[in-house]
Amino acid sequence: SQQGEEDPQALSIQEGENATMNCSYKTSINNLQWYRQNSGRGLVHLILIRSNEREKHSGRLRVTLDTSKKSSSLLITASRAADTASYFCATDWGGRRALTFGSGTRLQVQP
Amino acid sequence: DARVTQTPRHKVTEMGQEVTMRCQPILGHNTVFWYRQTMMQGLELLAYFRNRAPLDDSGMPKDRFSAEMPDATLATLKIQPSEPRDSAVYFCASGLVLAGGPNVDTQYFGPGTRLTVL
Repeated sequence: SQQGEEDPQALSIQEGENATMNCSYKTSINNLQWYRQNSGRGLVHLILIRSNEREKHSGRLRVTLDTSKKSSSLLITASRAADTASYFCATDWGGRRALTFGSGTRLQVQP
Repeated sequence: DARVTQTPRHKVTEMGQEVTMRCQPILGHNTVFWYRQTMMQGLELLAYFRNRAPLDDSGMPKDRFSAEMPDATLATLKIQPSEPRDSAVYFCASGLVLAGGPNVDTQYFGPGTRLTVL
């Protein structure tokens, strides 16, 4: 399937450290998005990177995209306890008209 | 502060009962999505509407699930009859796709309906 796979499944770090999450997918995409989900809440859009882009920044977030390797990474710098959440990548690929979400990375930031 | 709203937030029902979940997309958005989230399956797309027309409901069990958009401000997801395996969190999301634009752009999620079927 096209479902993206995040790696690692779970990550625990100390406040102030950087967190890196990876996403791999299987077929060519139009764009790739990252979402955050706090426990018991809906998903919140973080950042979108198009297939012709290689890197994008938004505040403490940095996303890279390597279409040759079919992978993306999300870097959160100087993490905070409030960054504790699950992070999902989602791909818009081929003719599919909706996003396909990965299984997510659970990030725990220890204060 | 425009948001997607969903009702009810929680629903506990018995097997065999009908369940109706409602979603109000963000005003002006022309696409609506229904997702189901479980620990085992993750986030699955059930149905997708654009300009109130269903474009993709391949992820939805047709025999018991139905999704409609009676008007641009309301989307409904019905399960009849409900089964314990339908227990999950159901999310609605909306977005805006412009003519000539990409198929899918940012989606805005509602808070979800947590359904428990006993």
